[in-house]
Amino acid sequence: KQEVTQIPAALSVPEGENLVLNCSFTDSAIYNLQWFRQDPGKGLTSLLLIQSSQREQTSGRLNASLDKSSGRSTLYIAASQPGDSATYLCAVITGGGNKLTFGTGTQLKVEL
Amino acid sequence: DAGVTQSPTHLIKTRGQHVTLRCSPISGHKSVSWYQQVLGQGPQFIFQYYEKEERGRGNFPDRFSARQFPNYSSELNVNALLLGDSALYLCASSLEAGYFGETQYFGPGTRLLVL
Repeated sequence: KQEVTQIPAALSVPEGENLVLNCSFTDSAIYNLQWFRQDPGKGLTSLLLIQSSQREQTSGRLNASLDKSSGRSTLYIAASQPGDSATYLCAVITGGGNKLTFGTGTQLKVEL
Repeated sequence: DAGVTQSPTHLIKTRGQHVTLRCSPISGHKSVSWYQQVLGQGPQFIFQYYEKEERGRGNFPDRFSARQFPNYSSELNVNALLLGDSALYLCASSLEAGYFGETQYFGPGTRLLVL
């Protein structure tokens, strides 16, 4: 059974700092890994999707890496801003279909 | 183009009642998945439907059921509500069934409170 863990559970940083969020998964036979952002009480916004054959994906100030063999992914956020404050979730697809297995998220607060 | 839409946005029910939640996928998307997110947890997979057929089911009791209509919209039904069913119910759509995984787009969710 696939299990996804995210560390830390919560993180508070000053504005402008670069930061790294971690995600690990127990079954390395994944098809892809997706990072999402969730604002309080809201739905999920897809940030980046990394296919199992890829090592990283970049979008603006965000960079996600994937090391499938070790069961790890990181989300790097450069020059953090207060608007980045949200919960960040990683999720993997293992096996066919669209079933996402999620971690419990990292709650990020970027302070002025 | 409109994103994934869900209705209602909020709902209050009492134990034992029945609830129906609705989802409209992004135009052209044929697959709809449902997730339950309890406060403080990551979403848990409930169902996936593709071309009106069930393609996957998570570890949820038979009180939970769903269907997909010819226009690809979907309903999630929950019978005999329990307090533990209180959660944010999320709908996600994707273009195809995702045999090798593909980007899923989530709606804003329906917040269900069971009293």
